[in-house]
Amino acid sequence: QVQLVQSEAELKRPGASVKVSCKASGYTFSSCGISWVRQAPGQGLEWMGWISAYNGNTDYAQKFQGRVTMTTNTSTSAAYMELRSLRSDDTAVYYCARDLGHYYGSTYFDYWGQGTLVTVSS
Amino acid sequence: DIQMTQSPSTLSASVGDRVTITCRASQTISSWLAWYQQVPGKAPKLLIYDASSLESGVPLRFGGSGSGTEFTLTISSLQPDDFATYYCQQYNSSSPGTFGQGTKLEIK
Repeated sequence: QVQLVQSEAELKRPGASVKVSCKASGYTFSSCGISWVRQAPGQGLEWMGWISAYNGNTDYAQKFQGRVTMTTNTSTSAAYMELRSLRSDDTAVYYCARDLGHYYGSTYFDYWGQGTLVTVSS
Repeated sequence: DIQMTQSPSTLSASVGDRVTITCRASQTISSWLAWYQQVPGKAPKLLIYDASSLESGVPLRFGGSGSGTEFTLTISSLQPDDFATYYCQQYNSSSPGTFGQGTKLEIK
């Protein structure tokens, strides 16, 4: 069965960086993309960007361009999201999700990780 | 960027009720729309994709319709597990990923 398992919760200081991992299993990793979605406490869902596990192409939401980097390691079927220059309003649960868009761009998300809470506080 | 607006923001209903949630796009997105259900503390779950295609394993009481800029999610007969927050998401190629603000479905 398809599973996405994310790394543990993180506590970061303002200005620091965080790197969240997402380990995929149960399907051919390169056949899909991975999108990252975050959810601030009590708020809605916010798409951050997409990476193709097929060719490494990325598409980042304009809000995060210059501050986020998404990568994959096809040999370990893992995806990573690094967010830099953290601020208090980056405190959120960060989800990875299997994205059915594997080549041209993001589409919709049929499997989700369990979420990783990132807390930014001094 | 494409904006997605859901209505209502909160909906109170009873078990057995038929409910409809609406999602409007700021520009046409053809049928590139998905619906998700989220219960507190859990990851979202895909219900509908391509506006009206039911994801495998999702109960038949869930249905989606619409195209262009106006879409609906209908639950034909509410069950206790259906009380959750619902999100629409567009994936038009020019500006993917935008979610609606969510509709919280509460027990009346």
